[in-house]
Parts: sequence; structure tokens; C-alpha cells
Amino acid sequence: QQPVQSPQAVILREGEDAVINCSSSKALYSVHWYRQKHGEAPVFLMILLKGGEQKGHEKISASFNEKKQQSSLYLTASQLSYSGTYFCGNVANSKLTFGKGITLSVRP
Amino acid sequence: NAGVTQTPKFRILKIGQSMTLQCTQDMNHNYMYWYRQDPGMGLKLIYYSVGAGITDKGEVPNGYNVSRSTTEDFPLRLELAAPSQTSVYFCASSQVVGRVHNEQFFGPGTRLTVL
Repeated sequence: QQPVQSPQAVILREGEDAVINCSSSKALYSVHWYRQKHGEAPVFLMILLKGGEQKGHEKISASFNEKKQQSSLYLTASQLSYSGTYFCGNVANSKLTFGKGITLSVRP
Repeated sequence: NAGVTQTPKFRILKIGQSMTLQCTQDMNHNYMYWYRQDPGMGLKLIYYSVGAGITDKGEVPNGYNVSRSTTEDFPLRLELAAPSQTSVYFCASSQVVGRVHNEQFFGPGTRLTVL
């Protein structure tokens, strides 16, 4: 079951904050977040596991509400380098299924 | 470590031709995946493999075949290419332990055009 992402697109000025949401109709064990810049491959941002454990490599925070089957990605004090398409993914039937993605544009 | 490598980077095919997209990973990951991404769209899973000798269909498997004879290699075969297969193809790998799917590492992609 493909996760649903919202909003569809976000336009920010440098320094502003944004929240990207991801929800699923199935019970989630983990949620993945990836970012893809134009013309490049997706790059891992963060994994959130049931029980609260997080694994991430960048200064981007996220939350995972297991009961509501939702995750949110928080981008604070956005930088120009944050521009790209953000995908969330959830694990079902032994494979990771990605949402359609949200395009985030950060302008000077 | 090279990570995930894909060849070729670009390819133009004529309708009805066949080709194999190569994918290799050097991280000893058990899971490997093939995705396609149409312009402005998300990632659609074509096939995936949970280990050498084991493959399974994803969301859009028609027109494609895969094999996984070794841990490192996961080639994708296109038979009788059609214009609808024009897309960017990404290979990825990850280490999965029980229910925990660790991060997926993506290759640089293959841009395929079928004319």
C-alpha cells in the first residue's frame, strides 16, 4: 500500500521552516525518508522505527506516530541545498513502498 | 567501496530491441531492487531480490525479467522494448535484518529512451 504524502509541493524562502507529512493505511513498523535532487538518485535521510528509535545522517528531524500511522519530516531554517523531492517509504510484504514525493523549493 | 554501480548511463533502443541493464553492489547487502521513474513521478518497484537465487515481482514487472545468481549482481532484462519503457531506471540495495529494513543505497541510474 503506497503511503500518502502531503502537501504536494512546498515553496520556501531561505531560513523558513517546513513540515512534510506521510501517512499509511497499514500498520507501520518503520518509515524511511529520502531526498532526490533533480537529475540525481535518491539519497537516504532518515529511518524511524517503531518504539521511537531513529537512524539519520543529516540535521533534519522527524517524528513517527505509530498509532496514527503517520510520520512528519521537519526542515528548520531551510537552506538552498534542501531543495528537491522528498519521498517517504513504508515496509509492507517484505518490500519498501515509496510515496509519490513532495517537491520542495527553497528560494533566496 | 564503489557502492551501487549501474551500466550503461544512457541508452537509446529501437522498438522491439532487447537489452540488459547491469547493477552491482559491493556492500554485501542481501536485498536488491529495481525501480523505474518516469519524468516528474515517483519511484515504481519493478522487481526485487531478498538474496541470491530469490527474486519477486514488484508493482510494474510486465516487460522485464531479472536474475540474481550472486549477492553482488542483479541485472534487469528488457525484452521487446516499447516506448512505454522510456524512463530512468534505478538499482538499489539494502541490508535487511528481520523486520528492519536499513537504508537503501541507490545507483546513479540508467536513462533509457525507446524510439
